[in-house]
Amino acid sequence: SQQGEEDPQALSIQEGENATMNCSYKTSINNLQWYRQNSGRGLVHLILIRSNEREKHSGRLRVTLDTSKKSSSLLITASRAADTASYFCATPWWGSTLTFGKGTMLLVSP
Amino acid sequence: GAGVSQSPSNKVTEKGKDVELRCDPISGHTALYWYRQSLGQGLEFLIYFQGNSAPDKSGLPSDRFSAERTGGSVSTLTIQRTQQEDSAVYLCASSLGGVDADTQYFGPGTRLTVL
Repeated sequence: SQQGEEDPQALSIQEGENATMNCSYKTSINNLQWYRQNSGRGLVHLILIRSNEREKHSGRLRVTLDTSKKSSSLLITASRAADTASYFCATPWWGSTLTFGKGTMLLVSP
Repeated sequence: GAGVSQSPSNKVTEKGKDVELRCDPISGHTALYWYRQSLGQGLEFLIYFQGNSAPDKSGLPSDRFSAERTGGSVSTLTIQRTQQEDSAVYLCASSLGGVDADTQYFGPGTRLTVL
């Protein structure tokens, strides 16, 4: 069963602009993760934020988590063409399993 | 060290045939997951192995799907009597395992096409 849902479904921006993607989920979580997928193949883990954290940074990535609204956002600053990919949020489901949303397709044009 | 590997990278088969997909997890990872991703869709959980515990098969879509994990390492996903709707990318992931959901490391996937 799907827990997380990303918004927007697709985002098109120019290089240098910032990209913001949102994720909403349904039940209480102890952490939320963001992954990137290039060309429909393997996913790459980007960042994990725990339920007691409100904001986390990693390079050009900034993730926020609002547990009261059951939502998270992923901000990519100064985007590059290489950031073009699909981005997924993932939340714990049963035990150690994760459930993924359908993703946001980001297109960064030179 | 090496990441998660999957083979084959692409598989084309005829409807009704059986296929086997292989996953080699990262050494030392006790948890292994199989997902399926149809074109333009999110990941659909299939099955989860944790150490020597009985696998969580709750995501398998039908009894044509089965998976095993030998020696706590390599896993094989078998699809019997393939159907066209089985066409998808099958992704394997592994993690250190534990009580809480932790970072999963994905393989490159196997793209299955059923004609």
